[in-house]
Amino acid sequence: DTGVSQNPRHKITKRGQNVTFRCDPISEHNRLYWYRQTLGQGPEFLTYFQNEAQLEKSRLLSDRFSAERPKGSFSTLEIQRTEQGDSAMYLCASSSEDIGADYGYTFGSGTRLTVV
Amino acid sequence: QKEVEQNSGPLSVPEGAIASLNCTYSDRGSQSFFWYRQYSGKSPELIMSIYSNGDKEDGRFTAQLNKASQYVSLLIRDSQPSDSATYLCAVTGGNNRLAFGKGNQVVVIP
Repeated sequence: DTGVSQNPRHKITKRGQNVTFRCDPISEHNRLYWYRQTLGQGPEFLTYFQNEAQLEKSRLLSDRFSAERPKGSFSTLEIQRTEQGDSAMYLCASSSEDIGADYGYTFGSGTRLTVV
Repeated sequence: QKEVEQNSGPLSVPEGAIASLNCTYSDRGSQSFFWYRQYSGKSPELIMSIYSNGDKEDGRFTAQLNKASQYVSLLIRDSQPSDSATYLCAVTGGNNRLAFGKGNQVVVIP
């Protein structure tokens, strides 16, 4: 499989619980992006990594959100003390450094989070 | 002002007709422009990219770019029921990431 892989596909959690999502990028890509999409809206940028370095974080990424990319391979996005407003589709994408976003990027299938 | 604006409401078109979608962007330095298609419950899929002023055709899709007016459009010719989806406009900025509009829903009526 040469695409971007995200797990789990769906997650239902109770308010106040912590959740963690995983993204495996295309293997030769050193840039990895996280976006969040709520119903009726376009994807909103959360953060991106170049290798293991987190280069930019949106102000949407509150202190309850943390993202890591150990060893510059897969990435995890953790949400602590989930709130109902966190319910959304969380999308991951990857690209190579020399291309960046210039040719668009390919998203994974996403993780749909429902907080009840 | 949002980076990328798509203000039209849902668009209903008869099968075989042309669907026309518009998008404006705020960053004059943007160099790369994209249209994504998103089916309900699925992730966005890249369908068109355009980098220079003018038209770019790919099958039934035509993207149009006017950098002076800061708008991008997408035409879908001979619309099919399978074209029923949300279409997202995306633009790169100086920070080398994509900014997306909120999308326009297209419904093709058989």
